[in-house]
Amino acid sequence: QKEVEQDPGPLSVPEGAIVSLNCTYSNSAFQYFMWYRQYSRKGPELLMYTYSSGNKEDGRFTAQVDKSSKYISLFIRDSQPSDSATYLCAMFYGNNRLAFGKGNQVVVIP
Amino acid sequence: GAGVSQSPSNKVTEKGKDVELRCDPISGHTALYWYRQSLGQGLEFLIYFQGNSAPDKSGLPSDRFSAERTGGSVSTLTIQRTQQEDSAVYLCASSTQTGSGSEKLFFGSGTQLSVL
Repeated sequence: QKEVEQDPGPLSVPEGAIVSLNCTYSNSAFQYFMWYRQYSRKGPELLMYTYSSGNKEDGRFTAQVDKSSKYISLFIRDSQPSDSATYLCAMFYGNNRLAFGKGNQVVVIP
Repeated sequence: GAGVSQSPSNKVTEKGKDVELRCDPISGHTALYWYRQSLGQGLEFLIYFQGNSAPDKSGLPSDRFSAERTGGSVSTLTIQRTQQEDSAVYLCASSTQTGSGSEKLFFGSGTQLSVL
C-alpha cells in the first residue's frame, strides 16, 4: 500500500460547479498536509497548507483534514476555467521529503 | 532569480548516453530537492540537499543516478547510461525550511527527459 492514495481519474465539471478532491493516507505520523496545483508543462505550486484537523479556507478553496480517518479533501467553489489543472495532495512528517499522491486532472468547461 | 530555474527544459537522448540536468534554486533557499514525475505515477523523491549536510540520497533508483550541489546553490543531476525507463519529467524544488516540519517547496518547471 502506498503511503498516499489519490484516485488519479480525470474530472470534468461545468464552470461554476464545486470540485471535490480527496486523498487517503496510511502513515499516522503525517502532520502536515498540502495541496499543490500543477498547470501543464509547469512545476507544482503550493495551493493550500494545513497542519491540524479541520477546515482551512482561502478564497474559493477549502482544505479539509480528518486525521482520525486519515483523509484529506480539497474543495473548489464556483470553479473557473483557470482552475483547470492537475491537483496533487502531499504530506510531510519531518523527514525532509514530501509524499505525493498521483494527482487529479481537473477540467472546468466554460 | 525570482523562481527555481531548470535547464534544459527538454532533453532527448539515446539509450546508453549520459545526461546532466541543472537546477538553480531561489536565492537564499538552503534546501534543494530533486523529484521525478512519470506519467500516472505521481512525484517520486530522488535526493535532498540541506546546507552543508550530507545529502539524503535514499530515493535514487540506481547507482546510475547521482547529484551534486556546488557552493550550496546550483545542483546537477546526472544520469549515466540512460535507459528508456528513465524517461520522465525531472523536477527540482527549493525551500527555506530546514526539516522542522513545515516544508513549503517551490518547484521549477522541470526537465522533460526522453530516452530513445
